[in-house]
Amino acid sequence: DTEVTQTPKHLVMGMTNKKSLKCEQHMGHRAMYWYKQKAKKPPELMFVYSYEKLSINESVPSRFSPECPNSSLLNLHLHALQPEDSALYLCASSQETVMNTEAFFGQGTRLTVV
Amino acid sequence: GNSVTQMEGPVTLSEEAFLTINCTYTATGYPSLFWYVQYPGEGLQLLLKATKADDKGSNKGFEATYRKETTSFHLEKGSVQVSDSAVYFCALSDNPPHTFGTGTRLQVTL
Repeated sequence: DTEVTQTPKHLVMGMTNKKSLKCEQHMGHRAMYWYKQKAKKPPELMFVYSYEKLSINESVPSRFSPECPNSSLLNLHLHALQPEDSALYLCASSQETVMNTEAFFGQGTRLTVV
Repeated sequence: GNSVTQMEGPVTLSEEAFLTINCTYTATGYPSLFWYVQYPGEGLQLLLKATKADDKGSNKGFEATYRKETTSFHLEKGSVQVSDSAVYFCALSDNPPHTFGTGTRLQVTL
């Protein structure tokens, strides 16, 4: 299994809602990532988890809250988002964060904040 | 800090034409270099990679050579197909992981 599975594929939420994005991989990877991608832009790194611990937070607003319940799962909890947070949210994993290895990406969750 | 610069797109080619997408990088260490491809509505897929100078990555007819002297990792394909239409991202991996270029959209027409 070389897949990273993200759910849901699409999400529409109001600015007062609380929702969660989920990501799962069964490749035994010990590093997992959240990226945000706006239209016609490259992915921007948000968070990195290494061995289930948060190792990088790229100054992401607190309305985004990551969680890594175990080595296979990564969540992104969303609360009080703004319309400008609408984007494609990509999860990725890799064997390690010492990076000579590639990242495996999920298909993303397309988030619309209304 | 690390950075990746890609040629501006979109690139429009006829089927069977030769493709080059330029990529140059700036890095303080010795990064690995990657090309990822993103088809519409999907996530990124690794196309090829190179981990040290003079390495050549290749996959599905695409090639790129890690040139340390010119800090480049240009993507080439001898004969593109309509199915190659996508956005191509050059990336380096050092610290933090995966700094991406801005992406180059390729459109191949019959």
